[in-house]
Amino acid sequence: DAKTTQPNSMESNEEEPVHLPCNHSTISGTDYIHWYRQLPSQGPEYVIHGLTSNVNNRMASLAIAEDRKSSTLILHRATLRDAAVYYCILRDAYSGAGSYQLTFGKGTKLSVIP
Amino acid sequence: GAGVSQSPRYKVAKRGQDVALRCDPISGHVSLFWYQQALGQGPEFLTYFQNEAQLDKSGLPSDRFFAERPEGSVSTLKIQRTQQEDSAVYLCASSLAVRTSGGVGTDTQYFGPGTRLTVL
Repeated sequence: DAKTTQPNSMESNEEEPVHLPCNHSTISGTDYIHWYRQLPSQGPEYVIHGLTSNVNNRMASLAIAEDRKSSTLILHRATLRDAAVYYCILRDAYSGAGSYQLTFGKGTKLSVIP
Repeated sequence: GAGVSQSPRYKVAKRGQDVALRCDPISGHVSLFWYQQALGQGPEFLTYFQNEAQLDKSGLPSDRFFAERPEGSVSTLKIQRTQQEDSAVYLCASSLAVRTSGGVGTDTQYFGPGTRLTVL
C-alpha cells in the first residue's frame, strides 16, 4: 500500500471543529482512503472511508482533494471522547497477496482541551 | 450485537513461559487478523485467516509465534518461550470480507480491546 504522512499530534478545544490532515502523494487510482481511530486502552475503530468524493457519516466527514494526493478528516464538534490516535490508511481494492491487512503508521494523537 | 472479544485482557509471563491469547470474532465474520502493537507505535500485522485457513503469516516475528483457528471461528495466538521483546498489546480483528478479486478496499475491520502482554 502507498505511504501516508500525518502530523504527530494536534490539539483542539472542546466543541470546536477539528481538521486532521493526511498526505498520500503516491496514491494509486484503486486506493481507498480509510480512517481509523484508537481511543486510550482500546483497539482501533473504523471511522470513515472514501475513494474520490467527499463522504459524511455520523462520526465524521472525509474531504478528499481533487488530485487525491491528500485528504482531511473533519470532526465537526470535538468532544472529550474524541481524544484518540487517528490513523489514515490506504487500501488497494484489487491488491494481491500480502496486502489484505491494514498497514498503520504512527497516526496523529488528538488532544481535546475542555 | 457482540463485538470482538479477547482474553485475557492482561497477561504477565516470566521469560521463557508459553502463553496463549484467545480471540472471539464477530459471529459470521470470515476473516480474522492478529496485530501486535508496541508502546507508542501503530499496530503491526502478524497473521491472517480466512475461515480456518491461515492465508498469510508473513508478519509473525519468529517461529515461537503460532496461530490457529481450527473451526473457523475462535482463534488462539500462542507464543512459546516468551522473551521481553514480546511485551506488547496483541490485537485481534475480524471482518466479513474474503480475499477475492475486488471489493477489499471497502472492507471494514472490527477490533477487540487487545491483550496486554508483559514479559518479565
